[in-house]
Amino acid sequence: GAGVSQTPSNKVTEKGKYVELRCDPISGHTALYWYRQSLGQGPEFLIYFQGTGAADDSGLPNDRFFAVRPEGSVSTLKIQRTERGDSAVYLCASSLGSGGSYEQYFGPGTRLTVT
Amino acid sequence: SQELEQSPQSLIVQEGKNLTINCTSSKTLYGLYWYKQKYGEGLIFLMMLQKGGEEKSHEKITAKLDEKKQQSSLHITASQPSHAGIYLCGADIQGAQKLVFGQGTRLTINP
Repeated sequence: GAGVSQTPSNKVTEKGKYVELRCDPISGHTALYWYRQSLGQGPEFLIYFQGTGAADDSGLPNDRFFAVRPEGSVSTLKIQRTERGDSAVYLCASSLGSGGSYEQYFGPGTRLTVT
Repeated sequence: SQELEQSPQSLIVQEGKNLTINCTSSKTLYGLYWYKQKYGEGLIFLMMLQKGGEEKSHEKITAKLDEKKQQSSLHITASQPSHAGIYLCGADIQGAQKLVFGQGTRLTINP
């Protein structure tokens, strides 16, 4: 079956612009996670959804970052007034449920470059 | 400091040799995951370990969890070029329902 998909695969934007990154989880997966990976580092947690609600957004670095999942499936990560330090690969993952008992399956990521 | 420490950070081995990658947590583990990542790609799920002493194998890759030591090891037997990549351990620490990752181990296999 289809895995987690993310669009776009690459995004180049100018400092100060607004960007949206999209994640399509595996069908039937109720939990959805966003992570950010900088070069040479492991992914860092940003936010996770259980259904439509953000169950934990403690990893969002500041109020320029926001994510939604209005129908409990597709999610969009939104970044306002982008800064060069936002450049990273943004990874989305989904799982059947939340917690350590469920495998998280990752998408290919969106590489964001802020110039 | 990292909540999950991986060692070594980089590893170069000759094709056919065995190797081990370690992952140590500073906090209680509620689930330990191993992923593989190739440059520019997403994470490929390898194995999940939940119980102390648990050991799982897939093809030539074996992972073990030592709950008391809060450590996991990933062992590859008779390495092949296809094993090259970055190996990441991720953990559900203290039941937080999100994964914390190590910094990764870059594995190179020389022919």
